[in-house]
Amino acid sequence: EPEVTQTPSHQVTQMGQEVILRCVPISNHLYFYWYRQILGQKVEFLVSFYNNEISEKSEIFDDQFSVERPDGSNFTLKIRSTKLEDSAMYFCASSEGRRTGELFFGEGSRLTVL
Amino acid sequence: SQQGEEDPQALSIQEGENATMNCSYKTSINNLQWYRQNSGRGLVHLILIRSNEREKHSGRLRVTLDTSKKSSSLLITASRAADTASYFCATVIQGAQKLVFGQGTRLTINP
Repeated sequence: EPEVTQTPSHQVTQMGQEVILRCVPISNHLYFYWYRQILGQKVEFLVSFYNNEISEKSEIFDDQFSVERPDGSNFTLKIRSTKLEDSAMYFCASSEGRRTGELFFGEGSRLTVL
Repeated sequence: SQQGEEDPQALSIQEGENATMNCSYKTSINNLQWYRQNSGRGLVHLILIRSNEREKHSGRLRVTLDTSKKSSSLLITASRAADTASYFCATVIQGAQKLVFGQGTRLTINP
């Protein structure tokens, strides 16, 4: 069964360093998302991406964040200068067509900022 | 407060019993979805109910939607230990392009 894959599963970084989290969405899906979940808290929307551009972003998704679909298969989230409060689980998701339909999530990348 | 709020925050029942979780939301929606998350894992879609639907079934799951009360419930019948997980409702607000998640209900099924 097709699935969304994310790498790395866990990354530890120093505050101020750049981090890139990678995702391979399901191949025929058209809409892509990043969410994050701080330990024990709710799942928060970061950004949605369609047709090679950002569709919508949250207040969390400030200038330190960027997304890219560099090669038609990968979908990346970059954090330019990490802060302690960026420590969280980051989930990539994709959906087939209608942007408001079922989302398929990856297993997540746990980011720890020291 | 939140767009989606689940109630209760935590629920512990015996295997075989039914589990009911509730979700309330604030604004008009296109649809409401329920997801499950095992500890430390990704979210798995369970069921989607559209704003013009009142009830939907999928296996042991039954979801209701009351748009007049802006609320939904998820019923898991004949619970199993493997149903232990966190359950989240998520709403698609009209005009928005994102799914907004509630705080979740942590369900524990005791064998």
